[in-house]
Amino acid sequence: AQSVTQLGSHVSVSEGALVLLRCNYSSSVPPYLFWYVQYPNQGLQLLLKYTTGATLVKGINGFEAEFKKSETSFHLTKPSAHMSDAAEYFCAVSVTSGSRLTFGEGTQLTVNP
Amino acid sequence: SQTIHQWPATLVQPVGSPLSLECTVEGTSNPNLYWYRQAAGRGLQLLFYSVGIGQISSEVPQNLSASRPQDRQFILSSKKLLLSDSGFYLCAWSTGTWAGGGETQYFGPGTRLLVL
Repeated sequence: AQSVTQLGSHVSVSEGALVLLRCNYSSSVPPYLFWYVQYPNQGLQLLLKYTTGATLVKGINGFEAEFKKSETSFHLTKPSAHMSDAAEYFCAVSVTSGSRLTFGEGTQLTVNP
Repeated sequence: SQTIHQWPATLVQPVGSPLSLECTVEGTSNPNLYWYRQAAGRGLQLLFYSVGIGQISSEVPQNLSASRPQDRQFILSSKKLLLSDSGFYLCAWSTGTWAGGGETQYFGPGTRLLVL
C-alpha cells in the first residue's frame, strides 16, 4: 500500500521568500504524484502532477515540484511567495492500479507581509 | 468542459437526524466518483468511491452510506447523524477510462456539515 508524509503541518514564509513544502511517499510500484491546493472553505485544485517523463514538473501559479526516486520525495517549491499563496497544500499518490488517491495530512502555508 | 456541483453548501443538523448530500457531474460520461471527509485541521479521508451506477466501495465502516442512482449523480446519506459526522465533505470525479493510472481527481466546492 502507498502512503504520503508531509513534513511540517504549518509553514510560514515572508512575502517574496522561497516556498518549500516537503512531501515523501512510500510505494512498492512506480507512483503517480500530485500536489493540490485548498483555499478556505473551497474544494481542492490541482497544482501539478507527475506521471512519467521529466522529473521536474511545472504547475500553475509559479509552483514546481521535482520527483526524486532515490529520495522518495516530491517537494513543492516556488521561488517567490505571494500573499495569495496562503492556503493548505496536499500531496497525494496513486499507483498503476487505478486513480484512487492517498493524501498526506496537508501543510498550511502562511505568507507574512 | 466538465463541472462538478455539490449541495447544499452548508448544513446544520441535530444529532440523530438523517442526512442527504448530493453531487452531480456535468460534461463527462461514466466517471469514477468519490466522497471524502475532511475533519477540522486534518487531511482527507476517502469514504466511498464508485466506478459505475450502483457500484459502491466503502473505505471506512461507519454510519454513512453512498448511492449512485444515475451515471453522474453521487449521494451521501445517513439515517442518524452523530456529532463525529461534522466536517467538510468533498465530492470528486476522475475519468473512468483506463489510461494506465495517474488520472487526476477534480473536486467539487464541498459541503460544510455541522452536527449539534
